[in-house]
Amino acid sequence: GQNIDQPTEMTATEGAIVQINCTYQTSGFNGLFWYQQHAGEAPTFLSYNVLDGLEEKGRFSSFLSRSKGYSYLLLKELQMKDSASYLCAVRGNSNYQLIWGAGTKLIIKP
Amino acid sequence: KAGVTQTPRYLIKTRGQQVTLSCSPISGHRSVSWYQQTPGQGLQFLFEYFSETQRNKGNFPGRFSGRQFSNSRSEMNVSTLELGDSALYLCASSLSRTELYNEQFFGPGTRLTVL
Repeated sequence: GQNIDQPTEMTATEGAIVQINCTYQTSGFNGLFWYQQHAGEAPTFLSYNVLDGLEEKGRFSSFLSRSKGYSYLLLKELQMKDSASYLCAVRGNSNYQLIWGAGTKLIIKP
Repeated sequence: KAGVTQTPRYLIKTRGQQVTLSCSPISGHRSVSWYQQTPGQGLQFLFEYFSETQRNKGNFPGRFSGRQFSNSRSEMNVSTLELGDSALYLCASSLSRTELYNEQFFGPGTRLTVL
């Protein structure tokens, strides 16, 4: 079957760095997405990786290793507004459909 | 450019009733996907429409159905509501469906409560 695993919840301190991991087992691979979802709001796009390596975008970076079926989202200089759920999604081979993880709730403490 | 809009935002129904949710995608977007989100379950894919045709369907019972109109607006219908149908229903639109980098833009969702 197809499966995406993320930690359910993580806690970090304002100003620190946090890494949110995502492992996947899918039928084929055509890219991995990270989305951010604040409580009560719609998910918003953060990053897309299709090749191995690190993609940096301001305070956020996303890494992909296709051979290991693994990705992480790295958040630096954490701010209170980063408290949100972070969703990992993989586009497999089956009809271009996105397969979603359950999301990681990130709690930032002062 | 206006974002994805969903109506209504909140809905309270009782078991056995039916409900219709509406989604208007971003102008020019032809693909609309529907998801059910419940705490701890993540996004569960319901179906995807493109050019008025259902292209993909998730693992939901036949009580869940949808359609897309020629202007790309989409509706989903749930008949014979059950308590377990209480969830946030999200609609997402994208420009196409076959490009690998195909960002989905989400609407604010419809919060459905079944009593």
